[in-house]
Amino acid sequence: GNSVTQMEGPVTLSEEAFLTINCTYTATGYPSLFWYVQYPGEGLQLLLKATKADDKGSNKGFEATYRKETTSFHLEKGSVQVSDSAVYFCALFYSSASKIIFGSGTRLSIRP
Amino acid sequence: EAGVVQSPRYKIIEKKQPVAFWCNPISGHNTLYWYLQNLGQGPELLIRYENEEAVDDSQLPKDRFSAERLKGVDSTLKIQPAELGDSAVYLCASSLEDGPSDEQFFGPGTRLTVL
Repeated sequence: GNSVTQMEGPVTLSEEAFLTINCTYTATGYPSLFWYVQYPGEGLQLLLKATKADDKGSNKGFEATYRKETTSFHLEKGSVQVSDSAVYFCALFYSSASKIIFGSGTRLSIRP
Repeated sequence: EAGVVQSPRYKIIEKKQPVAFWCNPISGHNTLYWYLQNLGQGPELLIRYENEEAVDDSQLPKDRFSAERLKGVDSTLKIQPAELGDSAVYLCASSLEDGPSDEQFFGPGTRLTVL
C-alpha cells in the first residue's frame, strides 16, 4: 500500500546549523509529495510541494527534491533559526483515492 | 481572510459520554476533511466532503462516529459514546476542490481527552 516513512525525532540543532529530515515513500503510480509544518499551538501548514519526479519544492529557505529513483523527498535547510522549531510532516497525495497519507512527524528544536 | 475555525479547542469528558466538534471552513471551499491525529502520529483521514456529500467515509468508525455538513458549509463530527481510545486531536481542513494542486488548509484542532 501507500505509505510515508520519515526520520524519527526529536531533532535538536543549534541555530545556523544545516538541517536534513529524511522522508521516503511507497506508492503506486506517481504521487504528489508535500512537507507540512505544525508550529506550537497552530494548525498544519503546507510548507512546500512537488508534483513530479525531479521537481524541487522550496519555501522559507527550505527545499526538497522529488527523487523517484530513491523514492525520497528529504527536507533541507542551510541555516536553521529558532523560529523553525516545529513538527514537520512528510506526506503524499495519491490520485486514485484522492487522499493524503502523512508520515508520523519529526519534532525539530533549535537552540539559540 | 479567516482560516479554518474549530471549536472547542479542548474538551475533557468521561467515557461513554457523547461529544461533538464543530468546524467552519474557509469561505468558498467546497471540500472539507476531518482527520484524527494520535499523539506522535500524523493525521489520518476520517471523512471527506464534497459540498454536502460525504464522498469518502471509509475510515470513519460508524458504530460510534457520525458527521454532517449541512448546506455544504459548516460541519459537525460526533462521537457517541466516547471511549478511552478516542483521546486524540481532531483536525478539520478545507480546500477549494480536491486534488494534488489544491492546498488543504488546517484548523488548529480540538484536543479530546476521555477519562
